[in-house]
Amino acid sequence: DSGVTQTPKHLITATGQRVTLRCSPRSGDLSVYWYQQSLDQGLQFLIQYYNGEERAKGNILERFSAQQFPDLHSELNLSSLELGDSALYFCASSVNGDSYEQYFGPGTRLTVT
Amino acid sequence: DQQVKQNSPSLSVQEGRISILNCDYTNSMFDYFLWYKKYPAEGPTFLISISSIKDKNEDGRFTVFLNKSAKHLSLHIVPSQPGDSAVYFCAARVFSGGGADGLTFGKGTHLIIQP
Repeated sequence: DSGVTQTPKHLITATGQRVTLRCSPRSGDLSVYWYQQSLDQGLQFLIQYYNGEERAKGNILERFSAQQFPDLHSELNLSSLELGDSALYFCASSVNGDSYEQYFGPGTRLTVT
Repeated sequence: DQQVKQNSPSLSVQEGRISILNCDYTNSMFDYFLWYKKYPAEGPTFLISISSIKDKNEDGRFTVFLNKSAKHLSLHIVPSQPGDSAVYFCAARVFSGGGADGLTFGKGTHLIIQP
């Protein structure tokens, strides 16, 4: 158990809809990262937050957004969902914004039908 | 453009023998390389890392070797045990003046340890 929690575990929704994925980092970790794992692309970095502020951006679509709240939990919002957004979404946390050691949650499996 | 490549989707090794997992990269700006292990229905678990200024790092049964001139790293597991059966991801990080970016992952190698 990494100490990173993600909810929900599974999510099934229709195209065009909007969903919110939630992540709670390990106790004491200030930085949160979001990754998408799809069958053909592997694990792709989406976005990083550090102590409430956006720190780095990867291959995140404009339809996706994230935020980190004062209690350090984070939410990833996915809107106007398409079939291709079906994937595993992982959250990871680290002690600070520069740490290379990231601890991953169990993931949320999103299925868009 | 895949900056981190794991060319073997799967590898089968007998229990007790050495497992060698390989990874190639193209970005010279990577400053840290990491290996993660992943079981089904779980998130990746950090295994071992190596700084770009080193060529070897050891942790118990796991050793990572880095060859910067060849832009190649490998993970050695000795001896291989049944619990090592998992998907192994190679990952790398760029650290620029503005801070660290997210990790760049390879597509993984499925290691199967045969009894």
